[in-house]
Amino acid sequence: EVRLVESGGGLVQPGGSLRLSCTASGFTFSIYWMHWVRQAPGKGLVWVSRIYSDGTITDYADSVKGRFTISRDNAKKTLYLQMNTLRDDDTAVYYCARAVDNSNFRAFDIWGQGTVVTVSS
Amino acid sequence: DIQMTQSPSSLSASVGDRVTITCRASQTIVGFLNWYQQKLGKAPKLLMYAASNLQSGVPSRFSGSGSGTDFTLTINSLQPEDFATYYCQQTYITPRTFGQGTKVEVK
Repeated sequence: EVRLVESGGGLVQPGGSLRLSCTASGFTFSIYWMHWVRQAPGKGLVWVSRIYSDGTITDYADSVKGRFTISRDNAKKTLYLQMNTLRDDDTAVYYCARAVDNSNFRAFDIWGQGTVVTVSS
Repeated sequence: DIQMTQSPSSLSASVGDRVTITCRASQTIVGFLNWYQQKLGKAPKLLMYAASNLQSGVPSRFSGSGSGTDFTLTINSLQPEDFATYYCQQTYITPRTFGQGTKVEVK
């Protein structure tokens, strides 16, 4: 079964750090772009970051640039999101997603179940 | 960044109704437009990719059309399991922006 499972969420104080993980199974993790998407309580989906299959290309939303770092370990089939200097507005469910990416279409075809990050004092 | 605007933000419909949701991009995205369905407390699910292609396993009552800046998602004969929130997403450029969502509720 093709699956993504996130972990690492929790309650953290403003200014704190957290590292999210997303473990893949059932497919060749090392050939796919991977993304993080978040959803604040009661709000819509917001793209956060992406990383190329070999980890050499990364991109970030302006709202997290300089604070978050995306990385991956293809041997462990795991995607990471290191989140530093967390703010109240980073509170959200964080999803990892696999991206099909070719010249004809690009879409997030597999999603994890999400992990909850709450930033509060 | 490309802004994606969906309309309406919410709608009420009955089982059997035909429902249409529109999505407009702030600049051309050619055909790089996807639709996702999200049920309460669950992860999003890919419905349509490249504007008009049905993802494997998605019922044929769902259809999509459009190109450039204007796109539509149509649900023919709405079923009880279709009550959910629908998001469009452009994947033409990064950041891969989403629309604000359209909630389909029971009338």
